[in-house]
Amino acid sequence: GENVEQHPSTLSVQEGDSAVIKCTYSDSASNYFPWYKQELGKGPQLIIDIRSNVGEKKDQRIAVTLNKTAKHFSLHITETQPEDSAVYFCAADLGYQKVTFGTGTKLQVIP
Amino acid sequence: NAGVMQNPRHLVRRRGQEARLRCSPMKGHSHVYWYRQLPEEGLKFMVYLQKENIIDESGMPKERFSAEFPKEGPSILRIQQVVRGDSAAYFCASSPGASEAFFGQGTRLTVV
Repeated sequence: GENVEQHPSTLSVQEGDSAVIKCTYSDSASNYFPWYKQELGKGPQLIIDIRSNVGEKKDQRIAVTLNKTAKHFSLHITETQPEDSAVYFCAADLGYQKVTFGTGTKLQVIP
Repeated sequence: NAGVMQNPRHLVRRRGQEARLRCSPMKGHSHVYWYRQLPEEGLKFMVYLQKENIIDESGMPKERFSAEFPKEGPSILRIQQVVRGDSAAYFCASSPGASEAFFGQGTRLTVV
């Protein structure tokens, strides 16, 4: 089955700095890579996604890159704000939303 | 259009009792997924259902756990004879098909 590894497990940045979270996946058949943000006591919320036919996607301060050859993808958050503090999960999807999640990154943005 | 609704939000059960977790998908969504999240861990896939059908239950424990998504009404995740190790947050997600899934707020099960 698919295996997704995510690093780092915790990340602290100063407000205004950038944050980068990296993930690798094992199954080359995975073709959809969503990123979720989970705030304390809430369900995961989709923040950005990328499909395997695209190398990069950007939405305001958030961007995701995908390297299919190396089987890794990354989340980039620029100009971080305190409200960005949360746990972020990467995921890989084989095609019908049987999503395999990474273990999460706890991001803390220090004001 | 209300989001994915899960109830109850919190559920406490004694060891040996049954737990029933409910999930009402978003309007128009016929695909439902259940995930389990242990404290400080990621989400683990349990089961994928469409109306009246279990499509993939490869993440479900072989015993005590079952899921259904009837023609009418919410999807139900049922855990029989609960044990302390079943304590976790259980999340439901729904999608209209081959597109992104939307998660509910989860049910936090505590077994005492």
